[in-house]
Amino acid sequence: NAGVTQTPKFQVLKTGQSMTLQCAQDMNHEYMSWYRQDPGMGLRLIHYSVGAGITDQGEVPNGYNVSRSTTEDFPLRLLSAAPSQTSVYFCASSGTSLAESSSYNEQFFGPGTRLTVL
Amino acid sequence: AQSVTQLGSHVSVSEGALVLLRCNYSSSVPPYLFWYVQYPNQGLQLLLKYTTGATLVKGINGFEAEFKKSETSFHLTKPSAHMSDAAEYFCAVRGGSNYKLTFGKGTLLTVNP
Repeated sequence: NAGVTQTPKFQVLKTGQSMTLQCAQDMNHEYMSWYRQDPGMGLRLIHYSVGAGITDQGEVPNGYNVSRSTTEDFPLRLLSAAPSQTSVYFCASSGTSLAESSSYNEQFFGPGTRLTVL
Repeated sequence: AQSVTQLGSHVSVSEGALVLLRCNYSSSVPPYLFWYVQYPNQGLQLLLKYTTGATLVKGINGFEAEFKKSETSFHLTKPSAHMSDAAEYFCAVRGGSNYKLTFGKGTLLTVNP
């Protein structure tokens, strides 16, 4: 299993440009999410999905769009990049079993995408 | 609603000393609690988790944490720090059937020789 993969690893954009961060998982996980990590802020939830065709907003959704057409993929779109979106972005996935001992309780993280907006 | 407070954004210990990283949480439902570790320029890796049952949870690399409901705490400890433990540590809470994780702001652990 490759786990959770993210592309690209690094990206530099100019203000106003758009781009899509890719995220894929091969664990058949229903739940997928996007976080941004900024110094001193921890990880903040941007958007999440509990299954194909279902998405919802997290704590900091403004300026980002998502869609979930398949179980495996959960791309994050920046519509018009701003310097405030300079950050490290992490995708994560987990199963949705509520069994207390299930490893599905764990979220698995991708390696991250480091984005700079000039 | 749920939240996590990690006391101390930076903790420095000597090699061989006790590591104690503090985490307090709030949750309106019985929580699932997690500690993740992040090494420089890498993603997050699960150290340990508490769901139900035994309140003392053992994880990887010699770390353990104790869930104390009365204190709403889930502090992370390791008896003897190693240089390789230097990393950032994140405490996170999940409220039962709500799959969303809420993270603390992280504690950077440095280990001095």
